[in-house]
Amino acid sequence: EPEVTQTPSHQVTQMGQEVILRCVPISNHLYFYWYRQILGQKVEFLVSFYNNEISEKSEIFDDQFSVERPDGSNFTLKIRSTKLEDSAMYFCASINGGAPDTQYFGPGTRLTVL
Amino acid sequence: AQKVTQAQTEISVVEKEDVTLDCVYETRDTTYYLFWYKQPPSGELVFLIRRNSFDEQNEISGRYSWNFQKSTSSFNFTITASQVVDSAVYFCALSEAGNAGKSTFGDGTTLTVKP
Repeated sequence: EPEVTQTPSHQVTQMGQEVILRCVPISNHLYFYWYRQILGQKVEFLVSFYNNEISEKSEIFDDQFSVERPDGSNFTLKIRSTKLEDSAMYFCASINGGAPDTQYFGPGTRLTVL
Repeated sequence: AQKVTQAQTEISVVEKEDVTLDCVYETRDTTYYLFWYKQPPSGELVFLIRRNSFDEQNEISGRYSWNFQKSTSSFNFTITASQVVDSAVYFCALSEAGNAGKSTFGDGTTLTVKP
């Protein structure tokens, strides 16, 4: 069964450094998402991406964040200058066709900012 | 705006007991999907079920069952004869047709099943 993959599984970085989290959505999917889960809290929507542009973003997704689909398979989340409060689990998700639909979530990347 | 409320923060049961996790949602859309996910200690989100707003049939899958009631905006999840392996955080989520498929999650319910 096709699945969403994410790399790395765990990323440790120093405050102020840039990080790029990578995701490979399911190949025929059209909509892509990033979510964040601070430890012990709920899963929060960050951004949705369709047709090579952001379709919606939350208040969390400020100028420090950016997303990109650099090729036909990868979907990346960049945090330009990490802060301690960016420490969280980041989930990538994708859906096939028109919304709403079942989101397929990746296993997550745990980001630790020191 | 969409909202999902899981009023039960933590539930603890003894193995073989039945347990129901509550989920209440708010939405202005007439077309939406409801989901339940399981998050074990390893951290991944495991998809359990999707329910379309037009389909109020209850569903049973093994020891799991779901009760969707539009009249009360609720989508409750029952585990029958709970097992230790059911211990996890369970999230209810809502996705609206008008929001490009993004999901709004509840705060989650931590279920502990004791042997």
